[in-house]
Amino acid sequence: ELKVEQNPLFLSMQEGKNYTIYCNYSTTSDRLYWYRQDPGKSLESLFVLLSNGAVKQEGRLMASLDTKARLSTLHITAAVHDLSATYFCAVAPAPGSARQLTFGSGTQLTVLP
Amino acid sequence: DAGITQSPRHKVTETGTPVTLRCHQTENHRYMYWYRQDPGHGLRLIHYSYGVKDTDKGEVSDGYSVSRSKTEDFLLTLESATSSQTSVYFCAISQTDRQLSGYTFGSGTRLTVV
Repeated sequence: ELKVEQNPLFLSMQEGKNYTIYCNYSTTSDRLYWYRQDPGKSLESLFVLLSNGAVKQEGRLMASLDTKARLSTLHITAAVHDLSATYFCAVAPAPGSARQLTFGSGTQLTVLP
Repeated sequence: DAGITQSPRHKVTETGTPVTLRCHQTENHRYMYWYRQDPGHGLRLIHYSYGVKDTDKGEVSDGYSVSRSKTEDFLLTLESATSSQTSVYFCAISQTDRQLSGYTFGSGTRLTVV
């Protein structure tokens, strides 16, 4: 059974600081996704990571994937208030397995002025 | 926005009553999913569909049933609602099971069982 763990679950950080959210998963996978959710809203796709060593960047967010360590990171650079949201990672099982994504519990990020 | 809508957006129902949530898509995507979101649990898969009349159970399927009679509609039914089913329910779609862009989510249905 695929398990996905995110940490931290809650993160308060000051504007301008850097921080990293971690996503560990328990079985082989070749696809990992990061989503953002604003309060009361739906989930918005941020990044799709499809291979070992993949790195994607958008603005102040950068995501990476290490399939050997079964670890993805979401790095926040010089945080701003607009980044306050809950961030989820989601993992797809190895090819040939069932089709659905398994989600982490989410990291609730609050960026303080 | 991707063409996926959920209805109703909010519902309050009494324990023991049946409830049906609807997910409608205009993208002609083959795969559809129902997740529930609860604090501390992220999103957990209830049921999914890989085609018309083709469905399968997810991680938390007890107490739920689904139907898909048309490509565009995926219905989630709580046969006899319980308080533990109070949650936010999200529908998602994907074109293939190797979806390179992940899922597209609906806006969610907030269900309260009293």
